[in-house]
Amino acid sequence: DVVMTQTSLSLSVTPGQPASISCKSSQSLLHGDGKTYLYWYLQRPGQPPQLLISDISNRFSGVPDRFSGSGSGTDFTLKISRVEAEDVGIYYCMQSIQLPYTFGQGTKLEIK
Amino acid sequence: QLQVQESGPGLVKPSETLSLTCTVSGGSIRSSTYYWGWIRQSPGKGLEWIGSIYYSGSTYYNPSLKSRVIMSVDTSKNQFSLKLSSVTAADTAVYYCARQRTSGVHLWDIDYWGQGTLVTVSS
Repeated sequence: DVVMTQTSLSLSVTPGQPASISCKSSQSLLHGDGKTYLYWYLQRPGQPPQLLISDISNRFSGVPDRFSGSGSGTDFTLKISRVEAEDVGIYYCMQSIQLPYTFGQGTKLEIK
Repeated sequence: QLQVQESGPGLVKPSETLSLTCTVSGGSIRSSTYYWGWIRQSPGKGLEWIGSIYYSGSTYYNPSLKSRVIMSVDTSKNQFSLKLSSVTAADTAVYYCARQRTSGVHLWDIDYWGQGTLVTVSS
C-alpha cells in the first residue's frame, strides 16, 4: 500500500496567521499520464470530509483562495494564507495512484 | 445540488453481514464521469477507502476487504449498496457513501460525501 504520512498531528494558529500542513507519500504519486493523484480534505467537527484541493493544487468549487496546494512526487504541502475560525478541523491528504486508495492520518488545526 | 445519503442498521452482530444503501439525489447515478464509493472511519484506523462501483456494475475494491465486500447498483432507484460479510468489532466505524470522479481509466478525488452512518458490531 502507498503510505501517506502527515508529519504534524496538530498545529495551533492565531487567526490571520498562515498555516502549513505537510504530507509525504511512500512512493511517487506522479502517474505515467502526467497527472499527480494527490488530494486534500478538511473534516470539520461532526461533519464528513470535504474536498479542498485536487491534483496537488486545483481548488475545488467554492474553496476560498486562501487555500493553496503545492509539491511534487512524494512531498506535498497545503497552505492557508490567513487562518480563519472556520478552518478548524482535521486535514487529510489522500492518494489515488494505486489501489487501495489511502489517506494520511490527519493534521488537526486549532485556533489559538 | 447533489446529495448522497446512507441508510441501514446501526447495529450488526459479529459474524453477520453489514448491509448499507446509499441514495443519490440531485443527480443521476448513470453518469460516465463518476464512480460511487464507500469509505469508513474508525478511531483506530482513520479513514479507509472500501471500494467504488460504476453504474454499469464495474467495481474497484480495497484488496484487504475484497474477500468480504460486495457492492451493487440499482440505477432504477438511483441507489448503490454495500455488503460486508463476517463482521467483527474491528468493522465498527462510521460508514460514508460518496461520489468519486473518474477519467474512465482512473479514479480521482472524492468530491461529495454523505453525512455518514455509525455501524456498531456487537452482540
